[in-house]
Amino acid sequence: QQPVQSPQAVILREGEDAVINCSSSKALYSVHWYRQKHGEAPVFLMILLKGGEQKGHDKISASFNEKKQQSSLYLTASQLSYSGTYFCGTEPFRQGGKLIFGQGTELSVKP
Amino acid sequence: DGGITQSPKYLFRKEGQNVTLSCEQNLNHDAMYWYRQDPGQGLRLIYYSQIVNDFQKGDIAEGYSVSREKKESFPLTVTSAQKNPTAFYLCASIALNTEAFFGQGTRLTVV
Repeated sequence: QQPVQSPQAVILREGEDAVINCSSSKALYSVHWYRQKHGEAPVFLMILLKGGEQKGHDKISASFNEKKQQSSLYLTASQLSYSGTYFCGTEPFRQGGKLIFGQGTELSVKP
Repeated sequence: DGGITQSPKYLFRKEGQNVTLSCEQNLNHDAMYWYRQDPGQGLRLIYYSQIVNDFQKGDIAEGYSVSREKKESFPLTVTSAQKNPTAFYLCASIALNTEAFFGQGTRLTVV
């Protein structure tokens, strides 16, 4: 029932772009994106609530497809500070606020 | 300052012992969650609660118990029935349609 994230890991050079995908077998009420540094709590990036919605700030953006079962996180012109593990969190419809996370995507940005 | 507090940061459990992890929030959030994190497995949902005196099992509830007697508090007990409790435990709270706020986590080790 966990959403599936891909890729599992990615290595970038500074300035390169990356896309992380999140796919659910169920229609979703919302999708959350978080970044976690080792040993720390996850930090919120953004939440998408509407099918077809796209959001972004700085050089990180995300989309939520019309059928509301997939989301993608876009990181452009990556910086060293973008390194960490990225998680999508999904709230399926009609499951009373249940928030479940994917297995994570480990992103490493090298100089 | 509003936030979510987990204690202790580190906890050691002997075989056959029950231990309780504390989670307190002063954000006035209705929903609270407990997750377990193991390397490479992302955040797995143990229990969640949408309102006081009510909670639901997540995907890996066996060997755990919770209570929600107050809106601010959602303690997690790791019972002796949980055969592999060594992990990083994260508590979170959410207001409707907004981000999840995470505590700093409790690292539990069986000795």
